[in-house]
Amino acid sequence: DAGITQSPRHKVTETGTPVTLRCHQTENHRYMYWYRQDPGHGLRLIHYSYGVKDTDKGEVSDGYSVSRSKTEDFLLTLESATSSQTSVYFCATRGQKHNSPLHFGNGTRLTVT
Amino acid sequence: KNEVEQSPQNLTAQEGEFITINCSYSVGISALHWLQQHPGGGIVSLFMLSSGKKKHGRLIATINIQEKHSSLHITASHPRDSAVYICAADSNTGNQFYFGTGTSLTVIP
Repeated sequence: DAGITQSPRHKVTETGTPVTLRCHQTENHRYMYWYRQDPGHGLRLIHYSYGVKDTDKGEVSDGYSVSRSKTEDFLLTLESATSSQTSVYFCATRGQKHNSPLHFGNGTRLTVT
Repeated sequence: KNEVEQSPQNLTAQEGEFITINCSYSVGISALHWLQQHPGGGIVSLFMLSSGKKKHGRLIATINIQEKHSSLHITASHPRDSAVYICAADSNTGNQFYFGTGTSLTVIP
């Protein structure tokens, strides 16, 4: 959808290790988001970006950092993974035009053991 | 506090039935989005609406701004409609979204 690629699609890692998830888009969309999806919760915003090098925290940002050095790439880093960060992570983008629709990547399933 | 509430949480229907999923929100919005997520799959945008009604095939979305309520209807439901349907409020205070927890729909042949 809208040329959004998340990598990896699946990852298993150990507690305490760093992990980086990548979101790549080909639509030149200005806004990019990282969400996590857990049972019983709606999608929860981790961080978002409104342009190159412009990022802000979401409601569940603790333990996560992001970077956006190019329009097309938005990286999510777990500096030291914990079991509570086991989740499905979705990247989303939207264009600059007011009320543009959201486009989602296919998700990354992360398991922290 | 849940800015967006969906009902029902789970729904089972027989093929051919008319289905309604409801969404209520408490924040000011610029638009309301309906999303679809198939099991193990990605999330797809179905509708984005700020007033009135939109129709796409067998799917119809309506919104009542005064009552802060939206509905998603599926006519002549089919097993391939089985998915989680998510309502999302596009906040008018910034580029943020509030998501419902989703309605899991199963359509039985």
